[in-house]
Amino acid sequence: GAVVSQHPSRVICKSGTSVKIECRSLDFQATTMFWYRQFPKQSLMLMATSNEGSKATYEQGVEKDKFLINHASLTLSTLTVTSAHPEDSSFYICSASPLNTEAFFGQGTRLTVV
Amino acid sequence: AQKVTQAQTEISVVEKEDVTLDCVYETRDTTYYLFWYKQPPSGELVFLIRRNSFDEQNEISGRYSWNFQKSTSSFNFTITASQVVDSAVYFCALTEYNFNKFYFGSGTKLNVKP
Repeated sequence: GAVVSQHPSRVICKSGTSVKIECRSLDFQATTMFWYRQFPKQSLMLMATSNEGSKATYEQGVEKDKFLINHASLTLSTLTVTSAHPEDSSFYICSASPLNTEAFFGQGTRLTVV
Repeated sequence: AQKVTQAQTEISVVEKEDVTLDCVYETRDTTYYLFWYKQPPSGELVFLIRRNSFDEQNEISGRYSWNFQKSTSSFNFTITASQVVDSAVYFCALTEYNFNKFYFGSGTKLNVKP
């Protein structure tokens, strides 16, 4: 079945540095991918929609300059958390849909900013 | 607007008890999909079930069963004879007809004690 792979699964970075998270669709092409964020003990909230070949669409309250999204190919979207701070520590997860027939989630990335 | 409500924040049961997790949703769409996911401490979302808005047939899968009632906009999940391994956070979610954006409930943490 269709698989979405996310990397890394866990990352610890120093405050002020940038972190890149990758989301790959392994056996299908995805013109659109979605990024969600989950703070501890909270629900998953959509952050942004990643569009292949064009700018991402951000949900209200999400800083586009802080969370850079690049969807340069039909199988890869990246989320870069720039100048990370402890309050950015969260669980980030992506999803993609092959031909809008189903939805698959990546394994998620647990980001800790120290 | 889409909204999913899981009123039960946390439930504790003793092993072998039956437990029902409630989910109520709001949407103006006529075509939509409802999901249940299990999220263990590791964070990944484990798919449990998907239901489309035109299929109100209840479903049973082993110890799991789901009751979908459009009249009350509810999609409840019952675990029969609960086990310690069922301990996790469970999310109910709603998505559009094209499996794009997911709208998650706040989650219900299930504690199954031996």
